[in-house]
Order: sequence, then C-alpha cells, then structure tokens
Amino acid sequence: EDQVTQSPEALRLQEGESSSLNCSYTVSGLRGLFWYRQDPGKGPEFLFTLYSAGEEKEKERLKATLTKKESFLHITAPKPEDSATYLCAVQAVGSQGNLIFGKGTKLSVKP
Amino acid sequence: GAVVSQHPSWVICKSGTSVKIECRSLDFQATTMFWYRQFPKQSLMLMATSNEGSKATYEQGVEKDKFLINHASLTLSTLTVTSAHPEDSSFYICSASPSGVHEQFFGPGTRLTVL
Repeated sequence: EDQVTQSPEALRLQEGESSSLNCSYTVSGLRGLFWYRQDPGKGPEFLFTLYSAGEEKEKERLKATLTKKESFLHITAPKPEDSATYLCAVQAVGSQGNLIFGKGTKLSVKP
Repeated sequence: GAVVSQHPSWVICKSGTSVKIECRSLDFQATTMFWYRQFPKQSLMLMATSNEGSKATYEQGVEKDKFLINHASLTLSTLTVTSAHPEDSSFYICSASPSGVHEQFFGPGTRLTVL
C-alpha cells in the first residue's frame, strides 16, 4: 500500500534556528514527490516537485532533497512568516495523477 | 499562472439540504480535477477524481450518490453534497493540473458547516 509518513508532527523553532522536516514514503513506483505549504483555513500552496533520488530544489529559505525512501525539507534561518503546516505527497506511476498525502508537520517560528 | 478558484468559500446549511461547490481553473484547462476533504488537524483525503466528459472515480468509502461530481467543461468541476448531515461538515478542497504537468494546484477550499 502506498503510504507517506511525516515527522515530526509539530516543530517549534526560534527565528534563525535552522532545521529539517522528514517525509518517508513507500510507493509502488514514484512518479513524483511534492511539497506543499498550507496556512490555516486555506488550500495547499505548491512548493516543489522532486522526481528522482539525488534531486534537490531550492526556493528562498527552503531546500528539498530526495532519496529512494525519504525526502527532507530543510529550512535555513526561518522567519515567523514561515510558520505553516508543510505537507508532503507522492504520486504513483500508473495512477490517475492523484496525490497521497502525509499528515503534515506544523511549523511554528517564534521571533 | 495555474490559479484555481472555489465558490463559495464557506457555507452553512440545514441538515437535509443539498450544497453545490464549484471549482474553476482560471488560466488553464484541466482534463482532470480532484476533490479532497480535510477534517480539523488531519491531512487531505482524496474523495474522487473528476474527468471532463465522463463519470468521476470515487475512492473507497465515499458514497457516489451522496457526493455528486460533474465535470462539465475543461475549466469547471462541481461537487454537490446531497442531503447533508452534520457529519459532512468539513473543509472541501479541489485541485487541478494543467495538461502535461504533474503538479496539482489547489483551490482555497470551501468550509461546509451543516447544522
């Protein structure tokens, strides 16, 4: 069964304190792994797509990496506005394109 | 680019009534759209995959007669919650992908409260 597990469930950081979020996955065949940011009461906002092990993507203070079993979202020198829930999802080869989501990591950055 | 809208953003209805939620891709055409449901402090759960011009594919456990999906054009899909009950209260979110693109872009969501 295709599955996505994210850890930790919640993470509290001080402004400027770098850290990483983990996404472990099992999928029959990976078409793509996606990272989204979701603010309370809003739909997810697309961040990154990763397709193959070793791939990396960066955007401002965020950097996503991928191995054959997991992905990391590294946050460098976070700011309070980075506070949100970060969702990881996988898309399987042969699917209709639907995403399988993890439960997310709720990040709080204190000034 | 890749903007998806939903209407309404929130709705309150009485038990037993039906509610329609619209999902539109504003700047691209989408052969396939997806409907998700999200309960408080939970992640997104796929309800159904909506294909333009054909019947939707529902996930196991989702009642197709209760959650009616119509994908009438390449830019519009609708979800109708029929005979809504308090347990249907949730945050409903749609998503869509431009042709040839794997990424899904999400709408802002619709908060449904059934009294």
